[in-house]
Amino acid sequence: QQQVKQSPQSLIVQKGGIPIINCAYENTAFDYFPWYQQFPGKGPALLIAIRPDVSEKKEGRFTISFNKSAKQFSLHIMDSQPGDSATYFCAASIGSGRRALTFGSGTRLQVQP
Amino acid sequence: GAVVSQHPSWVICKSGTSVKIECRSLDFQATTMFWYRQFPKQSLMLMATSNEGSKATYEQGVEKDKFLINHASLTLSTLTVTSAHPEDSSFYICSADRGFNTGELFFGEGSRLTVL
Repeated sequence: QQQVKQSPQSLIVQKGGIPIINCAYENTAFDYFPWYQQFPGKGPALLIAIRPDVSEKKEGRFTISFNKSAKQFSLHIMDSQPGDSATYFCAASIGSGRRALTFGSGTRLQVQP
Repeated sequence: GAVVSQHPSWVICKSGTSVKIECRSLDFQATTMFWYRQFPKQSLMLMATSNEGSKATYEQGVEKDKFLINHASLTLSTLTVTSAHPEDSSFYICSADRGFNTGELFFGEGSRLTVL
């Protein structure tokens, strides 16, 4: 059972565009929602994370929007650059108690110059 | 920031041999580490949760006798793929919990295993 569903599978935008990646979760016990960026052959790196007590969080060019009632959250990348081309994973966990992350299926983003 | 190191970054072995992958937290103590497996162009799938000083907890479908996990210290967890076969070829990634109960996990760079 896939607990975190991510879309789209792939995304192509022009430089300066705002790619949006969406995720939906099923387990209402989840209370920690991070986004990771992964380059080929590398481990994932944490970009930004949110907890359900806020509806939006911004860090630099990255913004998470969170809709608790809909059990959905999304990542927006402002002023996207070719260097942002990577695979992005949303994830969810029960934030306390040293629980593992459940990952979405990933979105391959390509930012064209 | 917290650093997690994996070694080796890539390894090629013959079918039937065993391979050990190390995961170290370099600047913090990790009471809990997680091992993930990632096939090309796919997501990360949790294999097991490793707790220092106790037996690992394996996810359903993961053979504990094939994927041996040892978490002997607060900074080191190892994954041993025993009697490796070509279908075990994958990208293995560990992550560590710093223990602040924030949910934030730090990932290693991954280890690419190719079994011939």
